[in-house]
Amino acid sequence: EPEVTQTPSHQVTQMGQEVILRCVPISNHLYFYWYRQILGQKVEFLVSFYNNEISEKSEIFDDQFSVERPDGSNFTLKIRSTKLEDSAMYFCASRVDRLANQPQHFGDGTRLSIL
Amino acid sequence: SQQGEEDPQALSIQEGENATMNCSYKTSINNLQWYRQNSGRGLVHLILIRSNEREKHSGRLRVTLDTSKKSSSLLITASRAADTASYFCATASNQAGTALIFGKGTTLSVSS
Repeated sequence: EPEVTQTPSHQVTQMGQEVILRCVPISNHLYFYWYRQILGQKVEFLVSFYNNEISEKSEIFDDQFSVERPDGSNFTLKIRSTKLEDSAMYFCASRVDRLANQPQHFGDGTRLSIL
Repeated sequence: SQQGEEDPQALSIQEGENATMNCSYKTSINNLQWYRQNSGRGLVHLILIRSNEREKHSGRLRVTLDTSKKSSSLLITASRAADTASYFCATASNQAGTALIFGKGTTLSVSS
């Protein structure tokens, strides 16, 4: 069964450094998402991406965050200058199309630890 | 903002018993989805129920939706040790956006 893959599984970065998290969505999916889950808290929506542009973003997704689909397969989340509070699990998800009532399929996540 | 809130926060049962988890939300929805998360892993989609549906089954899973009460329940019948995980409800609004709003989840422990 096709799946969403994320790399790396664990990323340790010094505060203030840039970090790029990578995702390969399911190949025929058109809608892509990033979510994060701070330890012990809810999964929170960050951003959705469709047709090569941001479709929605949350208040968390400020100027320090950006997303990109650099080629036909990868979908990346960049944090420009990481802060301690960026430490979390980051999940990528994809969805087949824009139609309502379609599930999102999640990757296993990248655990980001900011020191 | 709409929220899915599950209860109980934690549930411990024996293998073979049924597990029921509840979810409440605040605003109008297109659909409500249930996900499972094993420790340290990603979210696995279990079942989606549309706002015009009242009940849905998938294997040992039964989901109900009461839009008048803005609540849903997930029933796992004849539980197994492998069902041990956290379970989250997530709502998708009936506006243009497709972002999922997750609840805090119920941690289910099934002992053999």
